[in-house]
Amino acid sequence: ELKVEQNPLFLSMQEGKNYTIYCNYSTTSDRLYWYRQDPGKSLESLFVLLSNGAVKQEGRLMASLDTKARLSTLHITAAVHDLSATYFCAVESGTYKYIFGTGTRLKVLA
Amino acid sequence: EAGVAQSPRYKIIEKRQSVAFWCNPISGHATLYWYQQILGQGPKLLIQFQNNGVVDDSQLPKDRFSAERLKGVDSTLKIQPAKLEDSAVYLCASSPVGGYRSYEQYFGPGTRLTVT
Repeated sequence: ELKVEQNPLFLSMQEGKNYTIYCNYSTTSDRLYWYRQDPGKSLESLFVLLSNGAVKQEGRLMASLDTKARLSTLHITAAVHDLSATYFCAVESGTYKYIFGTGTRLKVLA
Repeated sequence: EAGVAQSPRYKIIEKRQSVAFWCNPISGHATLYWYQQILGQGPKLLIQFQNNGVVDDSQLPKDRFSAERLKGVDSTLKIQPAKLEDSAVYLCASSPVGGYRSYEQYFGPGTRLTVT
């Protein structure tokens, strides 16, 4: 059974700092997704990583995928308060079936 | 393009009562998902439909939960009878099949259920 783990679970960081969120998964998969969820809101798609070595960037966020290591990272550059949210990775298990990670709750302090 | 619609947005019921949630996916999306998201956790897949057929319902507690997708469009998820541990947000998502970006899911706003 595919398991998806994220760390850290909670992250409190100062504005302007850099940090990385890690997503590890237990069995082979070639597709990985990152989502953002604001409190009381639904999930917003951030990145879709479709192959080994894929790298996507949007603003201060950059995601990468290493399928051999079964690892994806979400790197935050020069954090701002607006990035405060919970971030989930999800891994495709079987055809169009997605297993979500535990989530990383990010708080950016002014 | 209209997004995934869900109703109601909030529901409070007592344990042992029944409740139903409704989802209208994005037009033309063949695949529809129901997820349960307990506070502080990631979404957990309950059931996956492709058109009006069930693809995966392995994590659906079938003694109390049921879901249907008549005519391959709208879907309803029912809980009967509800337990306290069913308190969660129920998310509906849809995705196209076979087309551009057919692997992406689009989520609705969710229904927040509180069982007292």
